[in-house]
Amino acid sequence: EAQVTQNPRYLITVTGKKLTVTCSQNMNHEYMSWYRQDPGLGLRQIYYSMNVEVTDKGDVPEGYKVSRKEKRNFPLILESPSPNQTSLYFCASSWGDRHYEQYFGPGTRLTVT
Amino acid sequence: AQSVTQLGSHVSVSEGALVLLRCNYSSSVPPYLFWYVQYPNQGLQLLLKYTTGATLVKGINGFEAEFKKSETSFHLTKPSAHMSDAAEYFCAVGTSGTYKYIFGTGTRLKVLA
Repeated sequence: EAQVTQNPRYLITVTGKKLTVTCSQNMNHEYMSWYRQDPGLGLRQIYYSMNVEVTDKGDVPEGYKVSRKEKRNFPLILESPSPNQTSLYFCASSWGDRHYEQYFGPGTRLTVT
Repeated sequence: AQSVTQLGSHVSVSEGALVLLRCNYSSSVPPYLFWYVQYPNQGLQLLLKYTTGATLVKGINGFEAEFKKSETSFHLTKPSAHMSDAAEYFCAVGTSGTYKYIFGTGTRLKVLA
């Protein structure tokens, strides 16, 4: 089954404790992206990747890191999480020439206390 | 810079009534426009898209939207609402040659029996 998976689905952590949210897709998509969803703000793009080893900042990259060492994986790293990073996070992927048709993962709900 | 405005964070319609969700965009270059639907506790699913060509686009589940350049609008409609249409809907804008996407703040649709 074609899908985008995220792990964990739910995470509660404390301020400053490094964490990684994984994202994996099995569709051989070139393009992957991370978003955060907050009430009243919709989705905001954090980082995106056009292919392996090619990444760029979205609108809200502060406090986040990403890497794209393999085509199928695009982890989101929070080196020192803060409470304002409490949010619902979505990973998405798509083919390079139709990158606008994004397939979204199920989301990761992160709480930073 | 691009932006998206969704008018009405909550919309209620009776079952069988017309659904109209409003989206206005701002873009200095020809836009790509999208509507996504999000059911509770799920990721986003692409409903329909406009990239080029016909300005009236049809999507899944009986939804359609019309790109009106003069009004900078891309409103989503469905002739007859079903209970299963209750969800949150997001309008988004992108442009050819870029990988950045701007999402609106969302409209939660409630369908009344």
